[in-house]
Amino acid sequence: NAGVTQTPKFQVLKTGQSMTLQCAQDMNHNSMYWYRQDPGMGLRLIYYSASEGTTDKGEVPNGYNVSRLNKREFSLRLESAAPSQTSVYFCASSDRRPLKDEQFFGPGTRLTVL
Amino acid sequence: DQQVKQNSPSLSVQEGRISILNCDYTNSMFDYFLWYKKYPAEGPTFLISISSIKDKNEDGRFTVFLNKSAKHLSLHIVPSQPGDSAVYFCAAKGYYGGATNKLIFGTGTLLAVQP
Repeated sequence: NAGVTQTPKFQVLKTGQSMTLQCAQDMNHNSMYWYRQDPGMGLRLIYYSASEGTTDKGEVPNGYNVSRLNKREFSLRLESAAPSQTSVYFCASSDRRPLKDEQFFGPGTRLTVL
Repeated sequence: DQQVKQNSPSLSVQEGRISILNCDYTNSMFDYFLWYKKYPAEGPTFLISISSIKDKNEDGRFTVFLNKSAKHLSLHIVPSQPGDSAVYFCAAKGYYGGATNKLIFGTGTLLAVQP
């Protein structure tokens, strides 16, 4: 099992460009998440998908859109990138089980917006 | 408004000694707490968790303590090893209107275990 995979690993964009970050999980989890990690800020939730066909905003959704393509895949799109979106992006997945509520994370995408 | 706080950005400990990482939270409705470990250039990995109905949970060298009255939890690592050097994130499970297990993360503590 690969767990949670993310592509690309690194990306440099110019202000105003668009791109899509891809995420896939092979653990048959229902829920998927997108976080960003910035220095001194911890991980902040951008969007999440509780189950296939549903998506909801997290703490910092502005400037992003998401698509839950199927149960395995959850993509994050930046329509018009801004320098404030320079960050490390993590995708995660989880499945609720009694006393086992942990999320499993991908390796991250390091994005720089110039 | 930071609901989960890790007030120590860094901690340095000698190999073999105890490492104690602290976390405070403000929302009394949190019912599940987790610790994650993160190495550079990798995603966070789950380490240990505790339900709000317990005050202690052990897993090998790792023990998490929960003090609900103080809204405080701590992670103890005994004995500390150089491979434990990483950033440790505390997280609490919160709900936003019937959603799934959304986690709220602290800002992390960088642990350095000196050989």
